[in-house]
Amino acid sequence: DAGVTQSPTHLIKTRGQHVTLRCSPISGHKSVSWYQQVLGQGPQFIFQYYEKEERGRGNFPDRFSARQFPNYSSELNVNALLLGDSALYLCASSLTSQGGNTIYFGEGSWLTVV
Amino acid sequence: LAKTTQPISMDSYEGQEVNITCSHNNIATNDYITWYQQFPSQGPRFIIQGYKTKVTNEVASLFIPADRKSSTLSLPRVSLSDTAVYYCLVNKAAGNKLTFGGGTRVLVKP
Repeated sequence: DAGVTQSPTHLIKTRGQHVTLRCSPISGHKSVSWYQQVLGQGPQFIFQYYEKEERGRGNFPDRFSARQFPNYSSELNVNALLLGDSALYLCASSLTSQGGNTIYFGEGSWLTVV
Repeated sequence: LAKTTQPISMDSYEGQEVNITCSHNNIATNDYITWYQQFPSQGPRFIIQGYKTKVTNEVASLFIPADRKSSTLSLPRVSLSDTAVYYCLVNKAAGNKLTFGGGTRVLVKP
């Protein structure tokens, strides 16, 4: 069975540009979350979506947005990129949005902003 | 927010058992305790999750005392490939959002 898949795996963007990262959850999983992991730190929660609705938002600026599609896949968008947005962006999925559900992570998308 | 505290780093040798203790003093009644393993440049990999007492799977055991204010991840007979960062987290009952701390860097030596 396929795990959480993310694309692209690596990308380089210039300051001020926009980026879209994509995620396909594990089959049957309806909840998708996004995390940002800066080098040397633990992942930080950005968004959670369940049944196409936003269910949680971390402490990130409005330049960050996301959405979930009817097939439960998700996109993370970041506008007006800053050098500090360089990080590993992780997508995670779980069956539901309820606590106690096992959350599985993808391998991430490495974003470098130059 | 249920904050977790765990050692920054631990060294071990191949074949030994590694025990990592995590404290989560303000864990709520319905919260779960979850451990992840992360290798450089990879996403966190789920190891084990529990609510109370002891949970065991094919790779690890998780010991949770009755007060649930701490937990211990036990990795039996570690190998060099177990060198990684291990995160202890509280999986909140509300919202299923994970709050990561700094993790424990485990180095397994030959």
